Amino acid sequence: NAGVTQTPKFRILKIGQSMTLQCTQDMNHNYMYWYRQDPGMGLKLIYYSVGAGITDKGEVPNGYNVSRSTTEDFPLRLELAAPSQTSVYFCASSPGTSGGASYNEQFFGPGTRLTVL
Amino acid sequence: AQSVTQLGSHVSVSEGALVLLRCNYSSSVPPYLFWYVQYPNQGLQLLLKYTSAATLVKGINGFEAEFKKSETSFHLTKPSAHMSDAAEYFCAVSDRGGADGLTFGKGTHLIIQP
Repeated sequence: NAGVTQTPKFRILKIGQSMTLQCTQDMNHNYMYWYRQDPGMGLKLIYYSVGAGITDKGEVPNGYNVSRSTTEDFPLRLELAAPSQTSVYFCASSPGTSGGASYNEQFFGPGTRLTVL
Repeated sequence: AQSVTQLGSHVSVSEGALVLLRCNYSSSVPPYLFWYVQYPNQGLQLLLKYTSAATLVKGINGFEAEFKKSETSFHLTKPSAHMSDAAEYFCAVSDRGGADGLTFGKGTHLIIQP
């Protein structure tokens, strides 16, 4: 199993450009998450999904959109990039309630480092 | 709403010394608590978790943490530090087992002195 994969690893955007951060998991997990990590600030939840077709906002959703058309994929869309969106973005997945005792463990991808200039 | 406070953004210990990383939480319901480790330029890896079973939780790489409800704490310890333990450590809390996301502390950078 590859686990959680994210592409690209690095990206530089100009203000106002748009892009999609890709996230795929091959563990058949129901729950998927997007976090952003800023220096000295820990991770903050952007959006999450508890299954295909179901998404919900986290703590910092403004400026982002998500979709979940399949169990495996959970892309994050930035429509109008702003310097405040410069960050490292992590995707994570969790088995959900079907996973028994381990369902609340989240598995993280390697991250996408985004710079907006 | 839950929150996590990690005391000390940087902790430095000598190789072979005790590692103690502090985490205090705030939650209106019995929490689920986690410690994650992040090595440079990598994602987060679960070290251990508390899910209301035993209050002393053992994790990978010789780490353990003790849940103390009276102190609302979940400090991470390791008896003897190794150079390979140098990393960023995050404490996280959830009141629903992570189903709707984790709330993370700001992280503690562990430095190991030779």
